[in-house]
Amino acid sequence: EDKVVQSPLSLVVHEGDTVTLNCSYEVTNFRSLLWYKQEKKAPTFLFMLTSSGIEKKSGRLSSILDKKELFSILNITATQTGDSAIYLCAVVGSGNTGKLIFGQGTTLQVKP
Amino acid sequence: DVKVTQSSRYLVKRTGEKVFLECVQDMDHENMFWYRQDPGLGLRLIYFSYDVKMKEKGDIPEGYSVSREKKERFSLILESASTNQTSMYLCASSLFLGTQYFGPGTRLLVL
Repeated sequence: EDKVVQSPLSLVVHEGDTVTLNCSYEVTNFRSLLWYKQEKKAPTFLFMLTSSGIEKKSGRLSSILDKKELFSILNITATQTGDSAIYLCAVVGSGNTGKLIFGQGTTLQVKP
Repeated sequence: DVKVTQSSRYLVKRTGEKVFLECVQDMDHENMFWYRQDPGLGLRLIYFSYDVKMKEKGDIPEGYSVSREKKERFSLILESASTNQTSMYLCASSLFLGTQYFGPGTRLLVL
């Protein structure tokens, strides 16, 4: 059965800290891995990763995929209170419908 | 910009009522999805559709049905609402194998 596991499930840090969120997967016919950020509303898209070893970057956020070890990390440097959110990892696996398999999410709280 | 809208942000219904949740996207996406999100369980796929009048069951379809009569609109129907269907419902759309874009969500409370 396809599975996506995120860790930690929750995290509390202070502004300025760097955090690393983890996502591991077991999926038949892996196609791509996506990261979303969810505040008090709908998830918003952050990154899509399809190739191993290529870092995607957007401001203080970056992500990388390791297809051999079947995991991805999301890094946030110099965290701010506005980074407080649930971070969701999802994988597009078998089939040709674009169906996503989501992890449980990591709840990040950044304290001032 | 992709826009996905959902008919209601908050909804309160009674047990046994029939509930309709509507989702509309304006980007001509083939795929549309309905999820529910519950604390500690993440997003779980209820149903998805990859074309007009086409639908497939997701991971938790029991107690739900869907309708896709037009490409831009995907409806989720709770035939007889129950308290365990109290949840946040999220609709998403995507191009074939593309990134999914989410609507704002509907918080449903079933009393």
